[in-house]
Amino acid sequence: ETGVTQTPRHLVMGMTNKKSLKCEQHLGHNAMYWYKQSAKKPLELMFVYNFKEQTENNSVPSRFSPECPNSSHLFLHLHTLQPEDSALYLCASSQSPRASSGNTIYFGEGSWLTVV
Amino acid sequence: DAKTTQPNSMESNEEEPVHLPCNHSTISGTDYIHWYRQLPSQGPEYVIHGLTSNVNNRMASLAIAEDRKSSTLILHRATLRDAAVYYCILKGGLGGGADGLTFGKGTHLIIQP
Repeated sequence: ETGVTQTPRHLVMGMTNKKSLKCEQHLGHNAMYWYKQSAKKPLELMFVYNFKEQTENNSVPSRFSPECPNSSHLFLHLHTLQPEDSALYLCASSQSPRASSGNTIYFGEGSWLTVV
Repeated sequence: DAKTTQPNSMESNEEEPVHLPCNHSTISGTDYIHWYRQLPSQGPEYVIHGLTSNVNNRMASLAIAEDRKSSTLILHRATLRDAAVYYCILKGGLGGGADGLTFGKGTHLIIQP
C-alpha cells in the first residue's frame, strides 16, 4: 500500500465510450501526476499538477482530459480513444513536482486500460 | 534533464550481491541521482537517491563515483522478490528542469534461484 489509490484497476472501453480513471492520495502531497506505460515502452509522463494547477502537459492528445479538483484527487477523463491508447495508466504524487532531495514520488498500482 | 545509460538486462543468483551500473556523463552539479524499481504488474517504487556521497537505506546502497559521472545501485543480498526493472534517473534540484521524473528503459534484473 503506497497511499495512492487508483480505480478502476481494469477497464475495457469501446472507441466511442466516455470513461474516467480516478486517483486519490492519502499522503498530504501537493503534486500529482499521470503517467502512461505502453507495452515494451518506457513510462511516459502525461500531466503534472501542483496545488491543483496544471504545470506540465507533454503534448497529450485532447482525447485525454485531466481534472484535479483538489490536491488529493486526480481524474483522467477518456473519450473517443483509439486501440493504441491501450496501456497501463499510473497515477503518482509527491510533496513537490521538483524532485529535489527528500522528495520521493509515490505511485499507485495503475489502471489497465483496453480500448476495443 | 541529463540522460542516463543502463544495461538492458542483468542476471544474478539469489542471496548474492547485485551491482547495477548507471552512466550519466552529462550530469550537472545540481542533479540528484534517483533509483526506482518496478516489479511486475505494479507501479514503480522508490529505492534510493543521492547527490555526492554514498547512501545506504534498508533496501539498498548507492555508490556514486567521485566525478559523479556514474553510479552503482547495490543490492546486498538479492532475493527473488528483487526481480524487477530498475531505473536510474537524474533530476535537477530546486528549480532545475521540467516537473516530474523522466523514466528510461531501465535494467531488467533477473534473479535465479
